[in-house]
Amino acid sequence: DVKVTQSSRYLVKRTGEKVFLECVQDMDHENMFWYRQDPGLGLRLIYFSYDVKMKEKGDIPEGYSVSREKKERFSLILESASTNQTSMYLCASSLRQVFSGNTIYFGEGSWLTVV
Amino acid sequence: AQSVAQPEDQVNVAEGNPLTVKCTYSVSGNPYLFWYVQYPNRGLQFLLKYITGDNLVKGSYGFEAEFNKSQTSFHLKKPSALVSDSALYFCAVRDMEDSTLTFGKGTMLLVSP
Repeated sequence: DVKVTQSSRYLVKRTGEKVFLECVQDMDHENMFWYRQDPGLGLRLIYFSYDVKMKEKGDIPEGYSVSREKKERFSLILESASTNQTSMYLCASSLRQVFSGNTIYFGEGSWLTVV
Repeated sequence: AQSVAQPEDQVNVAEGNPLTVKCTYSVSGNPYLFWYVQYPNRGLQFLLKYITGDNLVKGSYGFEAEFNKSQTSFHLKKPSALVSDSALYFCAVRDMEDSTLTFGKGTMLLVSP
């Protein structure tokens, strides 16, 4: 089974703090993703990466950055957390072959509250 | 640009009755279509997907979905609902040349005993 692990399930941070959300997958997937989930808005893509040190902006990258130094690990960084970044963050991964309908697998999510 | 619409915020059904959760999509080319389920405080679990071939796709937990190209729909169905099916369901679409999924806003399914 694919395993996508998000190390922190629940975090409370103060406004202005730098926040790191870590994600690790164990299936040698090339693609990794960070989504944000908010009630009534569904899932929105923040960033994704298709290879080590490669990143692409998603639909809502403002206020976020990412790091992919190793294939299995994809970090989401909030440089200066704000209250409007309080949300559920979901990491996901998949194989890269774009024409094969590869399934994207999700982690359990990280609930971030910024106070 | 690709998009997904789930027209119902909530679907209520009695246990034992059939259920349908609706999804329509828009892509520029041929679509890959997915359904995911989310239980409270959990991540998304993959249910089923349509890539090509038979329009009726069978997935986990007795769920199935029917791809209708002319109506650009991919509705999720189950012949007999269980209380344990109560959860948030997401439809998602991906264009054949894209790596990313675009999700609908989700439909809450409530199955009453």
